[in-house]
Amino acid sequence: DIQMTQSPSSLSASVGDRVTITCRASQDIRNNLGWYQQKPGKAPKRLIYTASSLQSGVPSRFSGSGSGTEFTLTISSLQPEDFATYYCLQHINYPLTFGGGTKVEIK
Amino acid sequence: EVQLLESGGGLVQPGGSLRLSCAASGFTFSSYAMSWVRQAPGKGLEWVSVISSSSGITTYYADSVRGRFTISRDNSNNTLFLQMNSLRVDDTAIYYCARGGVSRAGFDPWGQGILVSVSS
Repeated sequence: DIQMTQSPSSLSASVGDRVTITCRASQDIRNNLGWYQQKPGKAPKRLIYTASSLQSGVPSRFSGSGSGTEFTLTISSLQPEDFATYYCLQHINYPLTFGGGTKVEIK
Repeated sequence: EVQLLESGGGLVQPGGSLRLSCAASGFTFSSYAMSWVRQAPGKGLEWVSVISSSSGITTYYADSVRGRFTISRDNSNNTLFLQMNSLRVDDTAIYYCARGGVSRAGFDPWGQGILVSVSS
């Protein structure tokens, strides 16, 4: 199984900050990586798929990059509604596996 | 609007069974692989199972549920199912129905989730 390691597990940031979250795969997954946002008590929502493709309706301040084993989610200017937990997901083969999550909190 | 609505959750004793349903609307259900993903209280996301589109001949399971859970679909009624047998305390989680899998580059959208509690 492919292991996904996210870092950091949590971070504190202010509105307007640039935020970067990293996800590392235990083997080459090419560009088969997605990012999901989950707010408390809500279902996850896809932000990014195939490493850098922005899901329809998602603000352009969210971007994804990377390939192979290292990937990044960037929020260019953090907004109040962005405080949430973020997960990466490898979607190259089964079993699909998620990273452990990154909780973005208000500083 | 694409919608997924889970039902069938609740409290069950260890060793018991439960059948989850997910009613889909707003898209051609038979054309999509469908998955179940769960989240234990205060924990991260865990993929559980997937069923292929159309006839649903192909299924995959996480090691943690293989042999105990069975995924199926009824395309005539746009409904996805998860039959859960031999339930254990560590199966306690919110279970989400989600459209997609490997063939759809992940999951979109997700249902609102349904709570399954396994406790004596």
